[in-house]
Amino acid sequence: EAGVAQSPRYKIIEKRQSVAFWCNPISGHATLYWYQQILGQGPKLLIQFQNNGVVDDSQLPKDRFSAERLKGVDSTLKIQPAKLEDSAVYLCASSYTGVVGYTFGSGTRLTVV
Amino acid sequence: SQQGEEDPQALSIQEGENATMNCSYKTSINNLQWYRQNSGRGLVHLILIRSNEREKHSGRLRVTLDTSKKSSSLLITASRAADTASYFCATDGGSGYALNFGKGTSLLVTP
Repeated sequence: EAGVAQSPRYKIIEKRQSVAFWCNPISGHATLYWYQQILGQGPKLLIQFQNNGVVDDSQLPKDRFSAERLKGVDSTLKIQPAKLEDSAVYLCASSYTGVVGYTFGSGTRLTVV
Repeated sequence: SQQGEEDPQALSIQEGENATMNCSYKTSINNLQWYRQNSGRGLVHLILIRSNEREKHSGRLRVTLDTSKKSSSLLITASRAADTASYFCATDGGSGYALNFGKGTSLLVTP
């Protein structure tokens, strides 16, 4: 079984620039999550999708972050404009509906300078 | 907001020794899970314990859960250098609910 694919692995941008991350979940996993992990901390949920609908985006900074999951498969997370404090690893995870326990991708490490 | 708090923040042991990490959480849970994260990598699911369970084993891992104290512990027996990683506990309200992670314990196992 292929894992959760994320790209790019690394990204360095200047503050106020835009950036987008891509995630391809495991085939058949209806639930998809984006987490932000700042260095030295645990992951924090940004947004949860069930198929192509948003279940929870209460911690997503909507003034600068957006995410979509077209056709209930791939997902993109965008930051516009980026701030220094957005430097973090962005993790995508997916799971089957009704199953507890995710599969995480390797993450995208974002550095904002 | 983060739910769990791991203790200690960092742990250094020698190969062959046992490593114990503790996790405390604040609200009621359905399940508590432990994940491992190697440096610069994604998280790997280790073990899940349900709120009605008290102890669970998987290979060299032993997890306990005390819902009255809102705490859990992860024991890694006969540790190996390859166990060097960060370990996170995560709680959830059931299937379909997102996980709430703690800040993690950084484990270093030296040969």
